[in-house]
Amino acid sequence: KQEVTQIPAALSVPEGENLVLNCSFTDSAIYNLQWFRQDPGKGLTSLLLIQSSQREQTSGRLNASLDKSSGRSTLYIAASQPGDSATYLCAVPKTGANNLFFGTGTRLTVIP
Amino acid sequence: GAVVSQHPSWVICKSGTSVKIECRSLDFQATTMFWYRQFPKQSLMLMATSNEGSKATYEQGVEKDKFLINHASLTLSTLTVTSAHPEDSSFYICSATDPEQYFGPGTRLTVT
Repeated sequence: KQEVTQIPAALSVPEGENLVLNCSFTDSAIYNLQWFRQDPGKGLTSLLLIQSSQREQTSGRLNASLDKSSGRSTLYIAASQPGDSATYLCAVPKTGANNLFFGTGTRLTVIP
Repeated sequence: GAVVSQHPSWVICKSGTSVKIECRSLDFQATTMFWYRQFPKQSLMLMATSNEGSKATYEQGVEKDKFLINHASLTLSTLTVTSAHPEDSSFYICSATDPEQYFGPGTRLTVT
């Protein structure tokens, strides 16, 4: 069974700092990995989708990398802002299905 | 982009009553929708896969007689929590595939 773990569980950084969030998964037979943002009491916002054939994807201040062989992905946030404060989730598809296995999430707080 | 809506966004009900949550794909047709549940400070967990015109597939540990899912059209799936108990209080999120997966804003259920 696929297990997705995110470290750290919580992170506080001062505004302007660059940071890295980590995601690891036990079954490397994935065809993509997705990073989401979740604000308190809200649904999910998709940030980046990396196909298994890709090594990284960029969107604005966000850069996600994928290393399938080691079962790891990172989300890099440059020049963090207070508005980046949220919980960040990574997720991988369940083998043979479209639904997703979600990581435990990292709760990010950017301090002004 | 594709939009998925959920109604209601929050609901409070008394123990023993039933509550229905709707999930709609607003600008696309979805043959498959997923229902997830998220308890406080935990990640999302898949409850069931809803396929249009057929019975839902439930994940292990999810009571199909308690969580009734109906996917009567390509744009609407409903989740009915029957005989709700306080332990059913949770955040319920649906997603619809296009085939990319799009998430609804979630429904906060509180059972008193």
